Amino acid sequence: DVKVTQSSRYLVKRTGEKVFLECVQDMDHENMFWYRQDPGLGLRLIYFSYDVKMKEKGDIPEGYSVSREKKERFSLILESASTNQTSMYLCASRSLEGPDTQYFGPGTRLTVL
Amino acid sequence: ELKVEQNPLFLSMQEGKNYTIYCNYSTTSDRLYWYRQDPGKSLESLFVLLSNGAVKQEGRLMASLDTKARLSTLHITAAVHDLSATYFCAVSSGGGADGLTFGKGTHLIIQP
Repeated sequence: DVKVTQSSRYLVKRTGEKVFLECVQDMDHENMFWYRQDPGLGLRLIYFSYDVKMKEKGDIPEGYSVSREKKERFSLILESASTNQTSMYLCASRSLEGPDTQYFGPGTRLTVL
Repeated sequence: ELKVEQNPLFLSMQEGKNYTIYCNYSTTSDRLYWYRQDPGKSLESLFVLLSNGAVKQEGRLMASLDTKARLSTLHITAAVHDLSATYFCAVSSGGGADGLTFGKGTHLIIQP
């Protein structure tokens, strides 16, 4: 089974802190994605990556950056956390071969105080 | 800009009844996905629909796609309590590699 793991289930940070959210997948998938989920808004795409060292902006990239130095790991960085970044963050991965679907991690609920 | 609209956003129904969730999208897309999310859990893939007229079924759930109408439906037959969850449709316009645009989700409660 595909496994996508995220470093923390719950995280509490203060305004202005630099925050790192880590995502690791164990199936050698090329594509990886970061979404945030907010009540009533569904999921929105923040950044995605086609492969190692590659990154593309999604629909709401402002205030975020990403890093993909290894194929299995995709990190989301909040350079200076703000209260409006309090949200559930979901990572996903997808293979170029095999079933055409994105596999999601368990999510990180981030609270910024 | 690709937009995805689901309706209804909230649905309470009784066991044994049939119902349909609708998913409309605004621009041409090459594939459509349905996901399920249980409270406090992540998303689970249900269906991927790749072409006009595609129909997929799994148990009491059946999904279909009409690309000309830009409409997908998720039909629930003889609902059971275990199907209570939030259902999302999502659309890709970049072959799936560019990320998905999601609807807001349909919160489904099935009462005994």
